[in-house]
Amino acid sequence: GAVVSQHPSWVICKSGTSVKIECRSLDFQATTMFWYRQFPKQSLMLMATSNEGSKATYEQGVEKDKFLINHASLTLSTLTVTSAHPEDSSFYICSATYLETQYFGPGTRLLVL
Amino acid sequence: GENVEQHPSTLSVQEGDSAVIKCTYSDSASNYFPWYKQELGKRPQLIIDIRSNVGEKKDQRIAVTLNKTAKHFSLHITETQPEDSAVYFCAAHQRGYGGSQGNLIFGKGTKLSVKP
Repeated sequence: GAVVSQHPSWVICKSGTSVKIECRSLDFQATTMFWYRQFPKQSLMLMATSNEGSKATYEQGVEKDKFLINHASLTLSTLTVTSAHPEDSSFYICSATYLETQYFGPGTRLLVL
Repeated sequence: GENVEQHPSTLSVQEGDSAVIKCTYSDSASNYFPWYKQELGKRPQLIIDIRSNVGEKKDQRIAVTLNKTAKHFSLHITETQPEDSAVYFCAAHQRGYGGSQGNLIFGKGTKLSVKP
């Protein structure tokens, strides 16, 4: 199957700093990638859809100025959490579709102190 | 948009018994329904999926059934083993608009515990 990687796997940062998370499709090209957030013991909540070469589409309630998404190439999408606060602490997972199946990255655990 | 309900939220079974998880969806246009297994701290892994032109699909000990009329689909695990313990999520593919490919809407998950 297709492989999606994510980096870093975990990050601890101080409140007010920005954190960038990378999502890569390793063996296929993805014009669209998805970013999810998962709080403990909860389901995956779609934050935004990342489109290569165009603006991301954000779900209702997700601040586009706080969660910056850049889909610079067919294999890379980045999510930047700007001015992170403790309530942004969560598990962030990206995914990409290959042959109509959605594959997930390993996730990035963010802890904001 | 699409809404997916999943039940039960927790399920405990004895090793060797069967486990059934049920989901309902709201958008009759949805046509793809995957099931994911997520172990603690790990990524969701696709275990089986079904498309709306099929009523049932089976892969060894797991099977999925789909009732389009009632808009519900179920995951069946037979001969459960301790390693089946995980959180299972159902999902429905929400159609996209304006040329977008759409996205998956997930249920809230079922924590399955298989006791040896």
